[in-house]
Amino acid sequence: EAQVTQNPRYLITVTGKKLTVTCSQNMNHEYMSWYRQDPGLGLRQIYYSMNVEVTDKGDVPEGYKVSRKEKRNFPLILESPSPNQTSLYFCASSYNRRNTEAFFGQGTRLTVV
Amino acid sequence: GEDVEQSLFLSVREGDSSVINCTYTDSSSTYLYWYKQEPGAGLQLLTYIFSNMDMKQDQRLTVLLNKKDKHLSLRIADTQTGDSAIYFCAESTSSSNTGKLIFGQGTTLQVKP
Repeated sequence: EAQVTQNPRYLITVTGKKLTVTCSQNMNHEYMSWYRQDPGLGLRQIYYSMNVEVTDKGDVPEGYKVSRKEKRNFPLILESPSPNQTSLYFCASSYNRRNTEAFFGQGTRLTVV
Repeated sequence: GEDVEQSLFLSVREGDSSVINCTYTDSSSTYLYWYKQEPGAGLQLLTYIFSNMDMKQDQRLTVLLNKKDKHLSLRIADTQTGDSAIYFCAESTSSSNTGKLIFGQGTTLQVKP
């Protein structure tokens, strides 16, 4: 079954404690991206990756890092989380950047206290 | 700039038609999408339309695109309680090399029995 898997689904952490949200896809997609969803704002792109070892900033990259060492995995790293990073995070993948059929993960609800 | 706007809430009775509206600003939009988000779930692609099309129909869903007015709508015929969800309009543009999807704020559809 084609899917994008994120872990964890829910996470409560404290300010400053480094965390990683994992994302894995099984469709051999080249393009992967991270979005955050906040009430009244829709989804905003954090980072994206066109292929292995090719990553770039989206609209709201501050406070986040990513890596793309393998095609299937695209982890999101928060080196020093802050309360304003409390949000619902989605990983997405598609065959290429045209996104005609983007698949989204189930979401990770992060709370930073 | 890039902006996508949707009304935030729509309530209909079961069996009625629902029409969710969306406006966008970027005239270089190439694809326009409708995503559905059920509670606690990720985003599911419902349908998409290429910018040179006026209409697309898929079972109970009809997408209308007015490119002159930059207006997109999603009509759901015979709305069911299972259609209750948040619906996101999104666009991707030829002017962007990032593959970013630009999302509206989401419209919460409430279907009353």
